[in-house]
Amino acid sequence: KAGVTQTPRYLIKTRGQQVTLSCSPISGHRSVSWYQQTPGQGLQFLFEYFSETQRNKGNFPGRFSGRQFSNSRSEMNVSTLELGDSALYLCASSLQGATTDTQYFGPGTRLTVL
Amino acid sequence: AQTVTQSQPEMSVQEAETVTLSCTYDTSESDYYLFWYKQPPSRQMILVIRQEAYKQQNATENRFSVNFQKAAKSFSLKISDSQLGDAAMYFCAYRRQYSGGGADGLTFGKGTHLIIQP
Repeated sequence: KAGVTQTPRYLIKTRGQQVTLSCSPISGHRSVSWYQQTPGQGLQFLFEYFSETQRNKGNFPGRFSGRQFSNSRSEMNVSTLELGDSALYLCASSLQGATTDTQYFGPGTRLTVL
Repeated sequence: AQTVTQSQPEMSVQEAETVTLSCTYDTSESDYYLFWYKQPPSRQMILVIRQEAYKQQNATENRFSVNFQKAAKSFSLKISDSQLGDAAMYFCAYRRQYSGGGADGLTFGKGTHLIIQP
């Protein structure tokens, strides 16, 4: 089975722009979670989608949003980019999103905001 | 809110030796899962081992084992016979158990950078 894929792998944007990142889960997985990784704050949970519905959300401003499509692929969007949004964005997929399910991570998208 | 603390920013061990990485957590919940993830330089997070809080027996996966002390809220990772490929950032993580499906996102510690000396 193919693993979790994320596109693009690298992205450079300027302040004020918006960006969309994509995540394709492992075939058969219906839950997709997003995490932000920065040197200062570490790994932080953004949100989780299951069956096209946001089921859980971390403590991030409304500029961070996401969606999930019927094929379980997910996108996250960040509007009005700030310098502090520079980070590695990781997505993880699992079968149902249950605690017992193993989360499989993608390679991440490195976002740089200038 | 749950917190996960890894007090060792960096650890170094000789190849073939044993090393223990520390993790403590704070939660008021009784049902939860604990995990150790490995992040090599490629940045891809890989699950190393997990422990269900209701299980008293410590989890083991080949050379990796944990020492889970629920009362002390401690969850350390022991790596035996360290290999060069074990060099990576290691993250301890917590996840609350939901009874009705779904779960919180993972709460991660800040990580421990493990160096393997040849």
